[in-house]
Amino acid sequence: QVQLVQSGAEVRKPGESVKVSCKSSGYTFNTYAISWVRQAPGQGLEWMGWISTYSGETEYGDKVQGRVLFTKDAPTNTVYMELRSLRPDDTGVYYCARDPGIVGPTQAAEGMYNWFDSWGQGTRVTVSS
Amino acid sequence: IQMTQSPSSLSASVGDRLTITCRASQSIGTYINWYQQTPGNAPKLLIYGASTLHSGAPARFSGSGSGTDFTLTISSLQPEDFATYYCQQTYSLPVTFGQGTKVEIK
Repeated sequence: QVQLVQSGAEVRKPGESVKVSCKSSGYTFNTYAISWVRQAPGQGLEWMGWISTYSGETEYGDKVQGRVLFTKDAPTNTVYMELRSLRPDDTGVYYCARDPGIVGPTQAAEGMYNWFDSWGQGTRVTVSS
Repeated sequence: IQMTQSPSSLSASVGDRLTITCRASQSIGTYINWYQQTPGNAPKLLIYGASTLHSGAPARFSGSGSGTDFTLTISSLQPEDFATYYCQQTYSLPVTFGQGTKVEIK
């Protein structure tokens, strides 16, 4: 069955970086993209961005643009999310999710759809001095 | 594109028929998905493309709408349905979610 397994909880100080992994299994890795979503404590869902597991192309959300980097390692079916210059308001749970949108995070121009059909278990990141 | 859900929370009983609304700040066609999240767990996809039931989602869930106004309906609320529900638009960047609707037990 499809599974996305994320790395464990992290604690960092402001200004430091964190790298979270998301390992996929149960399907052909490069036929689905991966999107990242985060959730601050008690808050809603925020889209962070998208990576094509086929080409490595990325798109990032405005709030993390310039501080975030998504990478992929095809031989291990793993995608990584690195967030730099951490701030206390980066505290939250970070999720990876499988996205059939292999062309882009939005595909309306192509008449195609995106959705997040399988999710990792989440990785809690705490940023505190 | 801003996605506004209503209500933000509601209380209901097992067996109730429930409707949650999501309004987009501009037309998004049918590029909307619905998710369910229970405390401590990752969201689960219920509906994609406004009205297509995701495999594994119970048939009591249905979605409708196009343009700017959308609804998620639960035909007969079950104990496991007490959760928070989110809509999401994937029409244009950035992808955005509604603020969530928390369904609690009356």
